[in-house]
Amino acid sequence: GAVVSQHPSRVICKSGTSVKIECRSLDFQATTMFWYRQFPKQSLMLMATSNEGSKATYEQGVEKDKFLINHASLTLSTLTVTSAHPEDSSFYICSARDFSGRALNEKLFFGSGTQLSVL
Amino acid sequence: SQQGEEDPQALSIQEGENATMNCSYKTSINNLQWYRQNSGRGLVHLILIRSNEREKHSGRLRVTLDTSKKSSSLLITASRAADTASYFCATASNQAGTALIFGKGTTLSVSS
Repeated sequence: GAVVSQHPSRVICKSGTSVKIECRSLDFQATTMFWYRQFPKQSLMLMATSNEGSKATYEQGVEKDKFLINHASLTLSTLTVTSAHPEDSSFYICSARDFSGRALNEKLFFGSGTQLSVL
Repeated sequence: SQQGEEDPQALSIQEGENATMNCSYKTSINNLQWYRQNSGRGLVHLILIRSNEREKHSGRLRVTLDTSKKSSSLLITASRAADTASYFCATASNQAGTALIFGKGTTLSVSS
């Protein structure tokens, strides 16, 4: 199946710094990628939908200036957590759907996630 | 946003037993999917059932869908210790290109 690579897998940073997380589709083109956030022992909460070549669509309650999303190519989307604070500590997961001419709304392929810890 | 509830939240069974997890959702769907997540890892797709299907099998997995009740169940038969993970249902709307919305998940522990 399609592979989504996410880096870094773990990052520890000081409060006030910015952290960039990369999500790459390795063997398919992803015009749309999705960013989720997961707190310990909880479900995935959709943060934003990243569209190649256009602005991301953010879910209600997600600060777009706080979580900057860039989807500059068909295989790469980045999430930058700006001026990170301890409350931003969480597990961030990206995902993409390989359309490739197949039916819409099929399964998602997930990156392995990034555990962000802000001190 | 989340679709709804999954129950049980946690399930502990012995190897060889069957595990049943349930999921409820709120809106109209195009399909419902089940995913597995090992601790601290990404999610892996298990099975997809379309809104016009009622039951689907894949290996030791059996999924049912009742659109009138807006619910689904995942049955894992003859469980193994390696099945220990969190399981999430996720729904896809009829609107093209939209994200999946996940349920709260069930944490399954299978002891040998």
